[in-house]
Amino acid sequence: KAGVTQTPRYLIKTRGQQVTLSCSPISGHRSVSWYQQTPGQGLQFLFEYFSETQRNKGNFPGRFSGRQFSNSRSEMNVSTLELGDSALYLCASSLLPNTEAFFGQGTRLTVV
Amino acid sequence: AQSVTQLGSHVSVSEGALVLLRCNYSSSVPPYLFWYVQYPNQGLQLLLKYTTGATLVKGINGFEAEFKKSETSFHLTKPSAHMSDAAEYFCAVSDPNDAGGTSYGKLTFGQGTILTVHP
Repeated sequence: KAGVTQTPRYLIKTRGQQVTLSCSPISGHRSVSWYQQTPGQGLQFLFEYFSETQRNKGNFPGRFSGRQFSNSRSEMNVSTLELGDSALYLCASSLLPNTEAFFGQGTRLTVV
Repeated sequence: AQSVTQLGSHVSVSEGALVLLRCNYSSSVPPYLFWYVQYPNQGLQLLLKYTTGATLVKGINGFEAEFKKSETSFHLTKPSAHMSDAAEYFCAVSDPNDAGGTSYGKLTFGQGTILTVHP
């Protein structure tokens, strides 16, 4: 059974640009969550989707957005990139909300 | 709001020694509790979880943790450390009753503890 797949693994973007990250959950999983990991702030919750609906959102500015498709794949978008957005972005999938979360390897975004 | 505190950002042990990583949480209700491990440039792997039932939970790779409600703690232990245990460990909580019942799968993480194992 394939795990959670995040693409791309690495990205370098320039300040002011926008970026889209993709997450394919484990087959059959319907809940997808996103986290940002930085050395200073640690792991912080971005948002969670279940059945194409955003169920919960963390304390991030509106530049951070996401969506989930009917096949449960999810994307997150960051507009007007800032240097502080450089981080490892992790996606996790669960069969249902509040069940065990399986994490992907992450996308490392560097903003220059 | 929930919070998780991991005591000690770095823990160093000798191979074969006891591993003890500390985690305390604050929550108005008993939460679900998790320990994850992260190797360099990798995602998070679940070691073990507590939801309900037996308070001593056994996980993968010989790790176990005990939920102590009176101490609001969920410390992670392993009797004998192995070199391959060197990694960063995260304690996390999930509270179904947080924010009016809409927390769903939101995990709140501690700051992490880097475990170093010396030969």
